[in-house]
Formats: sequence, structure tokens, C-alpha cells
Amino acid sequence: EIVMTQSPATLSVSPGESATLSCRASQSITSSLAWFQQKPGQPPRLLIYGASTRAPDIPARFSGSGSGTEFTLTVSGLQSEDFAVYYCQQYNNWPPPWTFGQGTKLEIK
Amino acid sequence: QVQLVESGGGVVQPGRSLTLSCAASGFTFRSYAIHWVRQAPGKELEWVAVVTYGGSSMYYADSVKGRFTVSKDTATNTAYLQMKNLTIEDTAIYFCTREKGRLFDYWGQGTLVTVSS
Repeated sequence: EIVMTQSPATLSVSPGESATLSCRASQSITSSLAWFQQKPGQPPRLLIYGASTRAPDIPARFSGSGSGTEFTLTVSGLQSEDFAVYYCQQYNNWPPPWTFGQGTKLEIK
Repeated sequence: QVQLVESGGGVVQPGRSLTLSCAASGFTFRSYAIHWVRQAPGKELEWVAVVTYGGSSMYYADSVKGRFTVSKDTATNTAYLQMKNLTIEDTAIYFCTREKGRLFDYWGQGTLVTVSS
């Protein structure tokens, strides 16, 4: 099973600034990586797929990069609604399991 | 619009069974695989199971293999997750999600399963 490791666990950033979240896979997953945002009491929301492609209706301030085993999600010009928990997820192989990272909580500084 | 609505959660004793439902609307149900993903209180997301678009193939996480059974009924546009021999570690919110090209693009709001004596 591919293990996904996210860092940091918690990131404190001021509104208007940028945040960089990291995700590492235990083996190469090429670009088969998605990022999700989850707010309390809500299901996850797909932000990024293919490591760098924004899902429909996702603002341009969200960007993803990386391939192989190292990935990054950058949120530029943080707005109040961006403070949430972010998960990376790999979907490299069929059949699943498709594994998630343990999450990064992005909180207001 | 695409909607997924889970139901069937509740409080159940260890060792007992429970069946969750996922009612789908707004898309061609028979054309999509449906996955179940769970989230223990305050914890990360865990993929649980998938039933392929035609309903002929199912795959499971090791943690539930042999205890959970996933299925879909294209006549009623409903997916199911039958859970047997439940343990405290199965306590979680269970989400169903639609897979489009390996992407979880739509999710239900989830249903809470609490396993407690």
C-alpha cells in the first residue's frame, strides 16, 4: 500500500499571505495525485487533480505542482474561506486502495 | 444536479451488522463507480470500498475485507454498504463518492456510524 505523508500537520498563516502544503508518497505515483479541502461538518471538496489541474470552479489562487513522490499545494492570497483541512490522495493503481494523507490544518494566524 | 445522499447510520453494538445506503440522482448511475470513504472522529479520510460502474467488481480495504460488502442497484440508483461484525474501530462518518476517471468528484454529506456497547 502506498503511504501518503503530509507536512506540516498544522500551518498558521495570516489572511492575504500564501501557504505551501507538502505531500510525499512512499513510492512513485507519477502525477496521480489529488488535493481536497474539507471544512467542519462538510465532505471533502476536490481542488486539484493530476497534481496540477484545478477542478471546475476552483479559484486560480489554488495551484498544485510535483510528480513522482513529492507534491505541493500552494494557496496564494489566503481568504477567510480557505482556512480548512487539506488532504492529498493518490490514485495511481487500479484496483484501489487509493490512500489519503493524514491532512494539514490551515489555520488563521 | 448531481446528488448523493447517504442514510442508515446509527448506534450499533460491537459484533452487530448495519447496512448503509447511498441514493444517487442527477447523473447516469450505471455509468459510474461508487466508492465508500470513511472518517473516524477527528481523523483522516480512509478509503473503504468500491463497486465498479456495472456492479460486477468490488474491491475492499484490508481493514474491512471479509466483513463489508459493497453493491449497487441500477434500478433504484442506490449503492449499499453492508457491514458485519462491526468493531469500535469502525466508528466513523461514512461518505459515498462518485468516481469519474479515478477522481472523487462528488460526495454525499455522510452518515455517522457509532459502534458502542
